[in-house]
Amino acid sequence: QEQLVQSGAEVKKPGASVTVSCEASGHSFPGSYIHWVRQAPGQGLEWLGRMNFNRRSTEYSQRFQGRVTMARDTSNSSAYMELSRLTSDDTAVYYCGRGLYDFWTIWGQGSLVIVSS
Amino acid sequence: QVVLTQSPSASASLGASVKLTCTLSSGHSRFGVAWHQQQSDRGPRFLMRVDSDGKHTKGDGVPDRYSGSSSGAERYLTISSLQSEDEAVYYCQTWASGSQFFGGGTKLTVL
Repeated sequence: QEQLVQSGAEVKKPGASVTVSCEASGHSFPGSYIHWVRQAPGQGLEWLGRMNFNRRSTEYSQRFQGRVTMARDTSNSSAYMELSRLTSDDTAVYYCGRGLYDFWTIWGQGSLVIVSS
Repeated sequence: QVVLTQSPSASASLGASVKLTCTLSSGHSRFGVAWHQQQSDRGPRFLMRVDSDGKHTKGDGVPDRYSGSSSGAERYLTISSLQSEDEAVYYCQTWASGSQFFGGGTKLTVL
């Protein structure tokens, strides 16, 4: 059964960067888009951007442009999302999703990122 | 920019049916949506895509009790024979201009 396995929780200080990983299990990424979405405590869902796994091309939400970087490693079927210049407003659970350009059908289990001094 | 409007809450009795609505903003009535379910303290799960013609494509393992439909700018998720595990927040999502948009979610309570 296909799964996306994400990295564990992180605690970061304001101004730092965080990298969240997303590894495919039971399926490979090639041919897919990897989307990243976050959910602040008690809030709804917010899209950060997507990456075409084959071409490494990326599109980022304007809200995060300049702060987010998405990358991949084909050797281990993993995708990565780095968010820089963290503030307390970035405290959230970050999810990866695998699917098509427009939407995704597989979600990762989520990675909690806490930004606190 | 596309805006998706969902009622914040809904409730229905065990064994009954419920129809959740996601309304697309003006000028976007031909857009399809995806529905995602998020049970308490869990990550979201893709349920289905619903196109403007009402055609819906479900994710793997999604029970037959779940179905989708459309009318104008509204996209629906219908759950029949409600079970306790259907209690969750349901989000609709669409795509436009290279970006993604989410509704605010409907919290479904099964009575």
